[in-house]
Amino acid sequence: DVKVTQSSRYLVKRTGEKVFLECVQDMDHENMFWYRQDPGLGLRLIYFSYDVKMKEKGDIPEGYSVSREKKERFSLILESASTNQTSMYLCASRADRAGNDEQYFGPGTRLTVT
Amino acid sequence: TQLLEQSPQFLSIQEGENLTVYCNSSSVFSSLQWYRQEPGEGPVLLVTVVTGGEVKKLKRLTFQFGDARKDSSLHITAAQPGDTGLYLCAGPLAEAYKYIFGTGTRLKVLA
Repeated sequence: DVKVTQSSRYLVKRTGEKVFLECVQDMDHENMFWYRQDPGLGLRLIYFSYDVKMKEKGDIPEGYSVSREKKERFSLILESASTNQTSMYLCASRADRAGNDEQYFGPGTRLTVT
Repeated sequence: TQLLEQSPQFLSIQEGENLTVYCNSSSVFSSLQWYRQEPGEGPVLLVTVVTGGEVKKLKRLTFQFGDARKDSSLHITAAQPGDTGLYLCAGPLAEAYKYIFGTGTRLKVLA
């Protein structure tokens, strides 16, 4: 059974804190994604990684950075959390970079910044 | 800018009813995917449609890709409470690793 796991289901942080969200996949996929999901806005891509140490900015990278030191692990970092980063964060992985492959999603981390 | 608009946004129906949700765009997509997201979970792929006019069936769910590949529909026959969830359509952009997602249709099926 393929799996994408995320380090926390719920997280509450204070404004200005550094926040780490971790994602691990066990499918040996090269491609991993971080999205945020907000009501009325759908899923928006924050960052994408197509290989270890390789990354590309998505549509809303401001305020975020990522790290991919190992193939199975993709971390999202909020350098200084702000209230407008309160959201549901979803990690996904996919076998092929392009094409119609399924994206496998983790269960999400609901982050609240106070 | 490519957009995927889904309608309706919310739908609450009784068990046993039929329903159709729509995913529309002014842009042509090479394919469209449908996902279902249950509360507290990530989206799970239901189907990918690739050919204009294509119809795919998954038990009581029927998916259709428009002839012009600008729209898609999901029809559920005899809805059950287990169908409750957020239904999302998604399509690849020119940078094929990027997918654009619709805002979703939140379905609630009452027993």
